Amino acid sequence: DAKTTQPPSMDCAEGRAANLPCNHSTISGNEYVYWYRQIHSQGPQYIIHGLKNNETNEMASLIITEDRKSSTLILPHATLRDTAVYYCIVRVAPSGSARQLTFGSGTQLTVLP
Amino acid sequence: GAGVSQSPSNKVTEKGKDVELRCDPISGHTALYWYRQSLGQGLEFLIYFQGNSAPDKSGLPSDRFSAERTGGSVSTLTIQRTQQEDSAVYLCASSLRDSKAFFGQGTRLTVV
Repeated sequence: DAKTTQPPSMDCAEGRAANLPCNHSTISGNEYVYWYRQIHSQGPQYIIHGLKNNETNEMASLIITEDRKSSTLILPHATLRDTAVYYCIVRVAPSGSARQLTFGSGTQLTVLP
Repeated sequence: GAGVSQSPSNKVTEKGKDVELRCDPISGHTALYWYRQSLGQGLEFLIYFQGNSAPDKSGLPSDRFSAERTGGSVSTLTIQRTQQEDSAVYLCASSLRDSKAFFGQGTRLTVV
């Protein structure tokens, strides 16, 4: 699986958009970009995934650059409950599979009131 | 239940003792996964069950670790002769085959 690089921490004001970047410059053509998050003392939670096109669901939007070397997870209106560690993962797998997921250190997002 | 249930939520054990961790997956989910997460670290894959297929045990760190899944539902992760480096949060997840996975709250294991 391709290696990903994320900033260790970010702050965001409540109600504003949170934009979380991820670099994956060694991504292969058949690898998907997944995002999970882990709220303190809880298990990881799937957010969204994509291959080439931008994706949007009820939780977030995923913007993937044309060369696929980086992506951005967007939480359009961050709330205090979005405070969590956000993990960007790149792997070959269908849908939101958790098979052999390997999480790095992620980005600690703190939403400030 | 509505989600993945793990028990106990916390376990403190003495070095050298055996422990059993239980996972009740979401009803009907055929895939079940065990991971562990050490303090401040990412998730480490341990084992994967899918239906009646042979489990993928490639992530088990040593032969002290084993897991079984009875009747395609409940799973038990067993750690024999526990060591201090086994201290971690052990997470279970389940899914419909290889679709989106749902994680439990985990079991925090402390070996003293």
